[in-house]
Amino acid sequence: NAGVTQTPKFQVLKTGQSMTLQCAQDMNHNSMYWYRQDPGMGLRLIYYSASEGTTDKGEVPNGYNVSRLNKREFSLRLESAAPSQTSVYFCASSSGQYSYEQYFGPGTRLTVT
Amino acid sequence: AQSVSQHNHHVILSEAASLELGCNYSYGGTVNLFWYVQYPGQHLQLLLKYFSGDPLVKGIKGFEAEFIKSKFSFNLRKPSVQWSDTAEYFCAVNARNTGGFKTIFGAGTRLFVKA
Repeated sequence: NAGVTQTPKFQVLKTGQSMTLQCAQDMNHNSMYWYRQDPGMGLRLIYYSASEGTTDKGEVPNGYNVSRLNKREFSLRLESAAPSQTSVYFCASSSGQYSYEQYFGPGTRLTVT
Repeated sequence: AQSVSQHNHHVILSEAASLELGCNYSYGGTVNLFWYVQYPGQHLQLLLKYFSGDPLVKGIKGFEAEFIKSKFSFNLRKPSVQWSDTAEYFCAVNARNTGGFKTIFGAGTRLFVKA
């Protein structure tokens, strides 16, 4: 039981490049989330998927797109990376949206130069 | 709009000192409350949670938190910290928002425990 896995762990991009962050969970959770963590700002929700087949914007969705490929997988895409997207990205999952704890992946440290 | 405030961004304590980290939220309805911990180089993990019932909840590693509804607070406490408690601590509030339920995280408190 791996929990929540993310790839890659580290990535360096040049401004304007694109990439996809992958996330998978093996806990049969319905809801999945993408956060970014910046110093002094805590975790901010980028996008979430309440259930398979649905996605919704979070607090800071600009510059990102997501795909809920199936119940297990939820990917985050940066179409044209900008230095402001330098951050640590965490994927999380939970049984449901309400009153359930979230389980986090190990994070992806992304630097955009 | 729903928000979560953690008053202390950095806390430095000596081993065996008592710890209290503040967390206040702004939301008038029913909430579910969480404290998560992130040890250096690791991902976030749940420390404790409150849904209903006894407002004093106990979590892992000797941590506890008290929900005071009238003060919109959910402060984290530990009577005697250890060096291994060095970590960043996040308070989170889950509540109903437009379009469903959302979880909002506080900015985090970095705790450093001196051996």
